[in-house]
Amino acid sequence: AQTVTQSQPEMSVQEAETVTLSCTYDTSENNYYLFWYKQPPSRQMILVIRQEAYKQQNATENRFSVNFQKAAKSFSLKISDSQLGDTAMYFCAFFFSGNTPLVFGKGTRLSVIA
Amino acid sequence: EAQVTQNPRYLITVTGKKLTVTCSQNMNHEYMSWYRQDPGLGLRQIYYSMNVEVTDKGDVPEGYKVSRKEKRNFPLILESPSPNQTSLYFCASSSPRGPNSPLHFGNGTRLTVT
Repeated sequence: AQTVTQSQPEMSVQEAETVTLSCTYDTSENNYYLFWYKQPPSRQMILVIRQEAYKQQNATENRFSVNFQKAAKSFSLKISDSQLGDTAMYFCAFFFSGNTPLVFGKGTRLSVIA
Repeated sequence: EAQVTQNPRYLITVTGKKLTVTCSQNMNHEYMSWYRQDPGLGLRQIYYSMNVEVTDKGDVPEGYKVSRKEKRNFPLILESPSPNQTSLYFCASSSPRGPNSPLHFGNGTRLTVT
């Protein structure tokens, strides 16, 4: 079974600084997909970024980028130029195939401090 | 506007009183799913449906029922709620089920069972 581990329950960062959230996963599959979701205080689940395992190039979305290390089974999220609106719970998630669930980590609560 | 709509947003009930949380999507998605979110545990899948009249258990199905009589609706039924079902519930959908069609989440239902 696939598992996703987020080892940092809480983190904080100063506004405009850069922060990296870590995520590791365990799978025997070769083709899979990884996601980062953001959950602000409004509770809404928002897709931040996704990465296909077969792509070596790290995904980027504006201020958000990932460091995908397939051999190490690591998928960290880097937030550059942190903004107050980035304050949220961040979930790393793994997806393998059609009828398998999206497997979530336990989340990292990020606070951006002015 | 494309969205997944859950109702109610908040619900307080007593042990044993049957309740239904509704979920509706307007995107013609085949795949729908229910998750529960608990502190320190992340999101865990309860049930999912690949299409109309097709439902399957997720990781934590005990105490829950679902139905998929129409493509757009996927209600979550608690026949006899218990306090351990106090949680934040999310409905999600995608089409087709795959990495290029990430999950769209509803805004969540906060359920308290006393």
